[in-house]
Amino acid sequence: NAGVTQTPKFRILKIGQSMTLQCTQDMNHNYMYWYRQDPGMGLKLIYYSVGAGITDKGEVPNGYNVSRSTTEDFPLRLELAAPSQTSVYFCASSYSSRAPGNTIYFGEGSWLTVV
Amino acid sequence: AQTVTQSQPEMSVQEAETVTLSCTYDTSESNYYLFWYKQPPSRQMILVIRQEAYKQQNATENRFSVNFQKAAKSFSLKISDSQLGDTAMYFCAFRLYSGGGADGLTFGKGTHLIIQP
Repeated sequence: NAGVTQTPKFRILKIGQSMTLQCTQDMNHNYMYWYRQDPGMGLKLIYYSVGAGITDKGEVPNGYNVSRSTTEDFPLRLELAAPSQTSVYFCASSYSSRAPGNTIYFGEGSWLTVV
Repeated sequence: AQTVTQSQPEMSVQEAETVTLSCTYDTSESNYYLFWYKQPPSRQMILVIRQEAYKQQNATENRFSVNFQKAAKSFSLKISDSQLGDTAMYFCAFRLYSGGGADGLTFGKGTHLIIQP
């Protein structure tokens, strides 16, 4: 039972570098999300996707980009990393909120430090 | 936009005691879901319990139960017979029943629950 898988789990970036956080799910969910969690805070939505080829901005999208070429994969790209992007990143997936069993499932998180 | 407020940043109780975590939310919608997630030190997000707004009956899952007051927009979590493994951050979350795109979870800031031996 893989569920939602994120890689890498830990990464240190230098200011100005770029990287991609990978996310894949094997539950055939149409909805996928990227959240970030800053210390002492709840999760905030960065980007979401309701299906392959469709993405949209969440609450805090600046400095990030996403793509959704397949149902399973939803990578998050950080361009020109900044210290403010130091955070824990969570990928999540679900069915539509109108579907039975619409619980949102989370990956285990990716710890990113920008120095 | 929806907001979720958890007014207790930290709580501490003795093992085996009962503890209640508070959550209030603000929305103009009538159809939605409410959740409590547990986040242990590993940072993994674990679903504890969910409640559909159209259901008047409060959800229960073993030692975990909620007190859902729709008119008051209140959704508290009660943990009975608390155990050391319950020590974690607990997040209250709201999800709109929209079927549209932006129906992800809106989270509160969390309550750090510490169970003392």
